[in-house]
Amino acid sequence: AQSVTQLGSHVSVSEGALVLLRCNYSSSVPPYLFWYVQYPNQGLQLLLKYTSAATLVKGINGFEAEFKKSETSFHLTKPSAHMSDAAEYFCAVSGNTDKLIFGTGTRLQVFP
Amino acid sequence: DAGVIQSPRHEVTEMGQEVTLRCKPISGHDYLFWYRQTMMRGLELLIYFNNNVPIDDSGMPEDRFSAKMPNASFSTLKIQPSEPRDSAVYFCASSWRGRGNGYTFGSGTRLTVV
Repeated sequence: AQSVTQLGSHVSVSEGALVLLRCNYSSSVPPYLFWYVQYPNQGLQLLLKYTSAATLVKGINGFEAEFKKSETSFHLTKPSAHMSDAAEYFCAVSGNTDKLIFGTGTRLQVFP
Repeated sequence: DAGVIQSPRHEVTEMGQEVTLRCKPISGHDYLFWYRQTMMRGLELLIYFNNNVPIDDSGMPEDRFSAKMPNASFSTLKIQPSEPRDSAVYFCASSWRGRGNGYTFGSGTRLTVV
């Protein structure tokens, strides 16, 4: 079975500061891992995905994530936060099926 | 590309009534997923289809819920009878060739059962 744990339901940063959103996964098989972003009253939008190729994955809007098998982690980072990054972020895992299992989400606030 | 289209965007209904949510996936996508989002339970996968065939419905909460995909361009999620605890945002998502390509989500249907 697969599962995802997102540490911190809320993260606050100042504009221009580093963004770090944490995700740890559990999977009995090599996982596929995803980060999605959800803006208010909208659906989820794919930020980036890891599918067993390069361990450092670059996504849209300047976000990137690194797959670390030894730590079972897939943390999302962005060097410099922008006000428009304020949203809810979801980490998701898929094992040997096409089901995506989502974490509980992290709400990112960006202060001027 | 119009993306995944869900209707209605909002639905308010009385307890006991039948509710039908609709989804049009992206043309050419062969997977379709129904998710439910609530504050308490987060995002839950209800059911998914591959080439119009239900593959896994283990997330469907009760017999009151049913989903169909009569063709590649249309799916419905039906709740009969509806209950207040069914209030949630229901998302449809589609994918081409499954998880490796990620999913594209619709804007959701916000269901309120009073």
